[in-house]
Amino acid sequence: EAQVTQNPRYLITVTGKKLTVTCSQNMNHEYMSWYRQDPGLGLRQIYYSMNVEVTDKGDVPEGYKVSRKEKRNFPLILESPSPNQTSLYFCASSSIAGLSNSPLHFGNGTRLTVT
Amino acid sequence: GQNIDQPTEMTATEGAIVQINCTYQTSGFNGLFWYQQHAGEAPTFLSYNVLDGLEEKGRFSSFLSRSKGYSYLLLKELQMKDSASYLCAAMNTGFQKLVFGTGTRLLVSP
Repeated sequence: EAQVTQNPRYLITVTGKKLTVTCSQNMNHEYMSWYRQDPGLGLRQIYYSMNVEVTDKGDVPEGYKVSRKEKRNFPLILESPSPNQTSLYFCASSSIAGLSNSPLHFGNGTRLTVT
Repeated sequence: GQNIDQPTEMTATEGAIVQINCTYQTSGFNGLFWYQQHAGEAPTFLSYNVLDGLEEKGRFSSFLSRSKGYSYLLLKELQMKDSASYLCAAMNTGFQKLVFGTGTRLLVSP
């Protein structure tokens, strides 16, 4: 089954404790992206990647890192989480060829709470 | 700049028709998407428009006017399961960024 898999689904952590949210897709998609979703603010792009070893900042990259060492994986790293990073996070992927008219495939989301 | 505007909330009755409007301003434009999102779940794709006009897909239709920077999603024969948020998103030139609106929460009542 074609899917984007994020882990974990729920995470509660403390300020400053490094964490990684994993994202993996099995559709051989070149394009992957991370979003955060907050009430009243909608989905905002954190980072995106057009292909392996190619990443770029989205609208809200501060406090986050990503890597794209393999085509299928695009982990999101919070080196020193802070409470303002409490949010619902979505990973998404798409083919480059179809990016103009193909939908993003979203993972099921990771609800992160930083205390 | 980039800006997507859509109403925050709408209510409608089961069996009725509802139109959710979206206006957009983006740096370049390469298509407009509509997604449905139930609370706490991932967005799911509904429709895509890049040319002016109406695209019909079952109970859902989407319209685009590029000159006006305007789109709407039309939902017919509303069902209770249509209660969800509906996200309007515009693709910029270069196909690198999909800018989302804050979403319209639709509540369908019996």
